[in-house]
Amino acid sequence: AQSVTQLGSHVSVSEGALVLLRCNYSSSVPPYLFWYVQYPNQGLQLLLKYTSAATLVKGINGFEAEFKKSETSFHLTKPSAHMSDAAEYFCAVSDRNNDYKLSFGAGTTVTVRA
Amino acid sequence: DVKVTQSSRYLVKRTGEKVFLECVQDMDHENMFWYRQDPGLGLRLIYFSYDVKMKEKGDIPEGYSVSREKKERFSLILESASTNQTSMYLCASSSLEGGEETQYFGPGTRLLVL
Repeated sequence: AQSVTQLGSHVSVSEGALVLLRCNYSSSVPPYLFWYVQYPNQGLQLLLKYTSAATLVKGINGFEAEFKKSETSFHLTKPSAHMSDAAEYFCAVSDRNNDYKLSFGAGTTVTVRA
Repeated sequence: DVKVTQSSRYLVKRTGEKVFLECVQDMDHENMFWYRQDPGLGLRLIYFSYDVKMKEKGDIPEGYSVSREKKERFSLILESASTNQTSMYLCASSSLEGGEETQYFGPGTRLLVL
């Protein structure tokens, strides 16, 4: 069965600093991988997705993620944090063995210090 | 833009009440999903539907049922609400686009059962 582990339930960064959110997955077949963001009192918004094309995926708001098969990882980064990046971030995986249903990680809350 | 709407942003109900949560999407998507979101647990799939009048159990269907009479509408029903169903409920829809499937989420309904 597929699963996702997000390392760190809370991350605090200074404005302008690197944002790094870690995601490791397990899947017995090639996965599709997603990062979603949830701002307070809102639904989830797709940041980016990996679907077996380029391993470095660029998303909205300056975020990007790199698929590393050997490490079963899909970490999310942004070079310079902005106050508006304060939100909860979810990593998710799907694959054909599970009819492409999404399995989500527990989420990582990002706070940005001025 | 994909638009997924949910009938209520906040609901307060009493134990034992029958509760209806409505979700409507305007992009003619075949697939619709209901999740609940709880702190530290991420999103968990309750029910999903791949077509009108079709439904499948997700990971945590106990205490819930669903209805999909029209393609654009997917309802979640709590037959007899209990306090452990206090949660944030998120609806999503998706379809295959170029061989890839991406889920789009509504804003969520925060349900409090007293």
